[in-house]
Amino acid sequence: ETGVTQTPRHLVMGMTNKKSLKCEQHLGHNAMYWYKQSAKKPLELMFVYNFKEQTENNSVPSRFSPECPNSSHLFLHLHTLQPEDSALYLCASSQDFSGSGELFFGEGSRLTVL
Amino acid sequence: GENVEQHPSTLSVQEGDSAVIKCTYSDSASNYFPWYKQELGKGPQLIIDIRSNVGEKKDQRIAVTLNKTAKHFSLHITETQPEDSAVYFCAASSTGNQFYFGTGTSLTVIP
Repeated sequence: ETGVTQTPRHLVMGMTNKKSLKCEQHLGHNAMYWYKQSAKKPLELMFVYNFKEQTENNSVPSRFSPECPNSSHLFLHLHTLQPEDSALYLCASSQDFSGSGELFFGEGSRLTVL
Repeated sequence: GENVEQHPSTLSVQEGDSAVIKCTYSDSASNYFPWYKQELGKGPQLIIDIRSNVGEKKDQRIAVTLNKTAKHFSLHITETQPEDSAVYFCAASSTGNQFYFGTGTSLTVIP
């Protein structure tokens, strides 16, 4: 496989469930990102990991918990979500966190919170 | 932080016509301006980018212009084709910092 792979592609969960989103990149990149994409809003950066260290956390509620066990894998653990958390969650990677390199995105995980 | 505004939010053009999407930014430290294309059911993909030391860049039917004084940059697509139909996002960043994205433009090319 090549590129950035996200699973699952679709997820429906109740507000009391615990679930996880998974992202895997096969590009040899050192930075990985979670973005939230909602209709008519800019892509919203949630977390950045650079060389497995979290470098950005844009005031994301604690019900979202990231995990980066190695430079190829990134998880987003979900717990006690709210209906307004329904969105497309995009994972991306880049060579490093430099602010000037190409982001490679996965196809996203569409999350619906009931 | 940076604020990126993008217009229009939707754009319809006839096949073969040109399409222009405009973005403005607020932070004069921003020095990298990529454009991403997102097709239905896919993640965004980089189509062209420009750095602050260049005023214009072209790649076949796609071009981007940058006016640093006015803090705006634009995407130009010529000879549009149905496969150009997608959502386009502009972004701005400065060295060592995150990307700030616009709200997106949904482009429809009518055959």
